Amino acid sequence: NAGVTQTPKFRILKIGQSMTLQCTQDMNHNYMYWYRQDPGMGLKLIYYSVGAGITDKGEVPNGYNVSRSTTEDFPLRLELAAPSQTSVYFCASGQTGVENTGELFFGEGSRLTVL
Amino acid sequence: QKEVEQNSGPLSVPEGAIASLNCTYSDRGSQSFFWYRQYSGKSPELIMFIYSNGDKEDGRFTAQLNKASQYVSLLIRDSQPSDSATYLCAVRYGGFKTIFGAGTRLFVKA
Repeated sequence: NAGVTQTPKFRILKIGQSMTLQCTQDMNHNYMYWYRQDPGMGLKLIYYSVGAGITDKGEVPNGYNVSRSTTEDFPLRLELAAPSQTSVYFCASGQTGVENTGELFFGEGSRLTVL
Repeated sequence: QKEVEQNSGPLSVPEGAIASLNCTYSDRGSQSFFWYRQYSGKSPELIMFIYSNGDKEDGRFTAQLNKASQYVSLLIRDSQPSDSATYLCAVRYGGFKTIFGAGTRLFVKA
């Protein structure tokens, strides 16, 4: 039971570098999300997607980009990394509908440090 | 900007006591409300969800919703040291957009 898989688990970037955080889910969920969690804080929504080809901004989208070419994959791109992007990033997926609770299923997180 | 507010704590209770966690939200049109538990260094996991005004019980956990006051709470009865974690209140609006509060840290003392 893979669920939501994120890679890499840890990464150190230099200021100005770019990278992509990968997220894959095998539950055929329509909805996928990227959150960031700073130390001692809650989750802030970066971007979300309601299906392949459809994405929208969340609470803190600046400095990030996403794409959703398939139901399974929802990569998060960081362009020109800054120290303020040091955080733990969580990918999540979920489904809505009469038979679904709206629960989000989370990956294990990706810890990113920008130096 | 939609907001979800929680007291960050920490909240400390003795083993066997009732822990009470509170949350308020700004969007009066919100329809779905969730409580997630997050252990240190781990991912959030769902404990309870509630859609309608009133109480919903599941084992030692009770979620309470008051839409008129825009208020959600979580009661944990017979608290155990294993309940020590951060509890995140989440609100879904617009059908699919889910935002979280800052979380309340709970410590249960043995």
